[in-house]
Amino acid sequence: DVKVTQSSRYLVKRTGEKVFLECVQDMDHENMFWYRQDPGLGLRLIYFSYDVKMKEKGDIPEGYSVSREKKERFSLILESASTNQTSMYLCASSTGTFYNEQFFGPGTRLTVL
Amino acid sequence: KNEVEQSPQNLTAQEGEFITINCSYSVGISALHWLQQHPGGGIVSLFMLSSGKKKHGRLIATINIQEKHSSLHITASHPRDSAVYICAVRYNTDKLIFGTGTRLQVFP
Repeated sequence: DVKVTQSSRYLVKRTGEKVFLECVQDMDHENMFWYRQDPGLGLRLIYFSYDVKMKEKGDIPEGYSVSREKKERFSLILESASTNQTSMYLCASSTGTFYNEQFFGPGTRLTVL
Repeated sequence: KNEVEQSPQNLTAQEGEFITINCSYSVGISALHWLQQHPGGGIVSLFMLSSGKKKHGRLIATINIQEKHSSLHITASHPRDSAVYICAVRYNTDKLIFGTGTRLQVFP
């Protein structure tokens, strides 16, 4: 079975802190994604990566950056956390063709105080 | 306005009832996904379809490309089916556009 893991289930940070969210997948998938999920808005794509060291902005990249140094690991970085970044963050991965499903991690619920 | 519209937003049912959740989208797509999210956050892919119908156990997904509409049906619903069901569409990229989800509660 594909496994996508995220470093924390719950995280509480203070405004202005630098926050790292880690995602690891064990199926050698080319594509990895970071989403945030907010009530009434559904999942929105922050960034995605289709190869090591490659990244593409999603729909809401402002305030975030990403890093993909190894194929299995995709990190989301909040350079200076703000209260409006309080959300559920979900990582996903998929193989490199258009028509394959995405496999999701369990999510990290981040609260910024 | 979300490009993917789901209805209803909330749904309650008695155990055993037949359930239908609807999804509409605005432009041509390459594939449509149905996902399930249980309390606690984890998301599981139920179906991916680009035409016709797929069935897995008590779940059936259909899509009408001409009408830009898909339905997810649950037969003989059970309390363990209680979850948020999310429709997502894929255009000719690896990106998915998500609906806001339908929260289903099935009572014994």
